[in-house]
Amino acid sequence: EPEVTQTPSHQVTQMGQEVILRCVPISNHLYFYWYRQILGQKVEFLVSFYNNEISEKSEIFDDQFSVERPDGSNFTLKIRSTKLEDSAMYFCASNEVSGGDDGYTFGSGTRLTVV
Amino acid sequence: RKEVEQDPGPFNVPEGATVAFNCTYSNSASQSFFWYRQDCRKEPKLLMSVYSSGNEDGRFTAQLNRASQYISLLIRDSKLSDSATYLCVVSAAGGTSYGKLTFGQGTILTVHP
Repeated sequence: EPEVTQTPSHQVTQMGQEVILRCVPISNHLYFYWYRQILGQKVEFLVSFYNNEISEKSEIFDDQFSVERPDGSNFTLKIRSTKLEDSAMYFCASNEVSGGDDGYTFGSGTRLTVV
Repeated sequence: RKEVEQDPGPFNVPEGATVAFNCTYSNSASQSFFWYRQDCRKEPKLLMSVYSSGNEDGRFTAQLNRASQYISLLIRDSKLSDSATYLCVVSAAGGTSYGKLTFGQGTILTVHP
């Protein structure tokens, strides 16, 4: 079964450092997403990406965040200057169509710990 | 009012029990509805989509009431392996919303022997 791959599985970084979280979506999918889940809280939408541009973003996705699809296969989330409150699980997801009834395929996540 | 609201539980049931989870959503423009399952510190995995006509997948039955903005999940003959957090998820696709998923807090289910 096709899967969404995320690396690294765990990243520890110092406050103020830049981090890049990487994702390889399913190859024929067109819509890409980042979500995050702070420990003990609900999964929250960060950003959606389609046709090489951001299609929607949440209030969480401020100027410290950016996304990129640099080579047609990878989909990255960059946090420029990490804060303690950025510590969370970050999930990448992809879908063939927008809002389809088949749901979304999520990657296994990157656990980001900011110290 | 929360966008997607669930009873957080926890629900502790014996094997073989029937358990029901409820969920309400606030955005009447929502178009797609799902139940996801999340194991501890893992990614959400799609359990089933939910349709107005109701749908069943083995021991799992989901119902949607658009008028009441209410979604339910029924699990029959619970197994130990059903222990997880069940997430009610809603999507308001179309227009400027590119299929963004809105998650509920999740309902914790523990099935014991």
